[in-house]
Amino acid sequence: DAKTTQPPSMDCAEGRAANLPCNHSTISGNEYVYWYRQIHSQGPQYIIHGLKNNETNEMASLIITEDRKSSTLILPHATLRDTAVYYCIVRVRRTNTGNQFYFGTGTSLTVIP
Amino acid sequence: DGGITQSPKYLFRKEGQNVTLSCEQNLNHDAMYWYRQDPGQGLRLIYYSQIVNDFQKGDIAEGYSVSREKKESFPLTVTSAQKNPTAFYLCASTKNTEAFFGQGTRLTVV
Repeated sequence: DAKTTQPPSMDCAEGRAANLPCNHSTISGNEYVYWYRQIHSQGPQYIIHGLKNNETNEMASLIITEDRKSSTLILPHATLRDTAVYYCIVRVRRTNTGNQFYFGTGTSLTVIP
Repeated sequence: DGGITQSPKYLFRKEGQNVTLSCEQNLNHDAMYWYRQDPGQGLRLIYYSQIVNDFQKGDIAEGYSVSREKKESFPLTVTSAQKNPTAFYLCASTKNTEAFFGQGTRLTVV
């Protein structure tokens, strides 16, 4: 099963870009990379996902390396409300059992005023 | 509004009692999941269901049971066989792309 590795914690100054790295060296060709974030004691919130190409939406950008072994989530202008735990997840799709989302321990991002 | 609802938000039970956590979704999603989260840790998969009347064990199914009699509902029972039931429990549903999560139930067994 593809697993992800993330740094346990990071700090970022308010207004600056937050770049959160993720390694997924065992990812297979048809497996997507997803990013979620979780604010304390709430359900995880979807941010963005991608397969091969870089993706951008209103919340963030996702940069996936050409070999797909790692990715970076970019929050372009971090605010205090972006303080949360960020999970990089590989969505494993199996023929018989459908999609499974494997969560690691995530990166605790603290945005500093 | 469409969404996924877990109830209650906080639940207290005495040791040795079974307890059932509710999860309901009105998103018309086929797949539903239960995760457990312990302090400072990520989410671990307990059970999942891809369609009605079918479910599969996840990584930590021992001491838990589920049912999927309706598409909208996927209740989780924490049995007395679960050694460390105190945790934060999250339910999710998905169709083809991202998973939507409920707000969680914090279960405390005393």
